[in-house]
Amino acid sequence: ILNVEQSPQSLHVQEGDSTNFTCSFPSSNFYALHWYRWETAKSPEALFVMTLNGDEKKKGRISATLNTKEGYSYLYIKGSQPEDSATYLCALLNTGTASKLTFGTGTRLQVTL
Amino acid sequence: NAGVTQTPKFRILKIGQSMTLQCAQDMNHNYMYWYRQDPGMGLKLIYYSVGAGITDKGEVPNGYNVSRSTTEDFPLRLELAAPSQTSVYFCASSYEGARSYGYTFGSGTRLTVV
Repeated sequence: ILNVEQSPQSLHVQEGDSTNFTCSFPSSNFYALHWYRWETAKSPEALFVMTLNGDEKKKGRISATLNTKEGYSYLYIKGSQPEDSATYLCALLNTGTASKLTFGTGTRLQVTL
Repeated sequence: NAGVTQTPKFRILKIGQSMTLQCAQDMNHNYMYWYRQDPGMGLKLIYYSVGAGITDKGEVPNGYNVSRSTTEDFPLRLELAAPSQTSVYFCASSYEGARSYGYTFGSGTRLTVV
């Protein structure tokens, strides 16, 4: 069983703050890393799929980096807004797992005015 | 496009009853998945399918069965419901696997077994 760990478990920031979270994973047999945004009472939505060491992806104020050699990915949110409040999930795809993602437990972000 | 459609959205079952959670996608995705999400836990894979006629167990398959007779549909069957199956169930699909494409999730089914 793969161990995908996310930290912190939850985070509370003020509007306008920038923040980041960590996803740690075993670096052997790495194939891809996903980030999802999951708003309360909705379903998870894909943010990024990252495959190469050193990958950086950006979508508006949200960006992510990937280090496959040391087994971590960071998600950054610049200038947090209340609508960024959600749980952010990372998920690992390993080689030989027939496209099955293993999800972390998520970082719950709350942005207040 | 509707994406991934799950029905029902909510259901209460009595212990020992059976039911089928429906999942349909209209994106011609070959890969489909069933996950369950329990409080404080990550999404756990129940079953998955890489194409019509092909299914395989995930991490927590006990108490469930699936079938994949068409590309579009991937129903999840609960036989003899138990309180441990109280959870939120998500169906997801992806195009050609998850190396290049993210999953598209359904809106979930909240199941309570009493």
